[in-house]
Amino acid sequence: GESVGLHLPTLSVQEGDNSIINCAYSNSASDYFIWYKQESGKGPQFIIDIRSNMDKRQGQRVTVLLNKTVKHLSLQIAATQPGDSAVYFCAENDIAGNQFYFGTGTSLTVIP
Amino acid sequence: DTEVTQTPKHLVMGMTNKKSLKCEQHMGHRAMYWYKQKAKKPPELMFVYSYEKLSINESVPSRFSPECPNSSLLNLHLHALQPEDSALYLCASSQEGTSGNEQFFGPGTRLTVL
Repeated sequence: GESVGLHLPTLSVQEGDNSIINCAYSNSASDYFIWYKQESGKGPQFIIDIRSNMDKRQGQRVTVLLNKTVKHLSLQIAATQPGDSAVYFCAENDIAGNQFYFGTGTSLTVIP
Repeated sequence: DTEVTQTPKHLVMGMTNKKSLKCEQHMGHRAMYWYKQKAKKPPELMFVYSYEKLSINESVPSRFSPECPNSSLLNLHLHALQPEDSALYLCASSQEGTSGNEQFFGPGTRLTVL
């Protein structure tokens, strides 16, 4: 399943399928990006980050892709599990570094 | 210790009350943050402290007053709040207040203003 993040805030996928969550950013000066997972009633939890001098970074079951040309970031989750159900936020850090700007968020629901 | 802790977990207060939210981290981080998050919305930055000095105030109303007594502690003093201030208040910290430093979030305080 795939979402456009800012434009389609919900995504439902079958357990075991791959998920793709997308995020568009607007600040060309952003040079550091993070994906956060937020479960109901909890604070955001770090998933993976990427710097602007990279275009791909892999973690355990997650991959982040960065396309600076079109200012687009995506999070791919392999073999999605029920525990992956949460709201996912992308966050960009401008080069001055003082603050993160959070995207709208995408709510991921995994159907067993 | 890789945790940011926040107390209380829940707080209900009237519009005439004065209360404080507390945040603590022992990771040696030198930047600490307060965010406000409404339901189904992303966190919104309120304040940034860097090396115990207030470096960013995102035009937050004066009924919210931050305080950083030392490098491990961050408080948010609340006075004369409005019902629309009800939200989840998140504290975060990072090694430095510069780009490329992951922010670690606490679990938040769920605030209800009656």
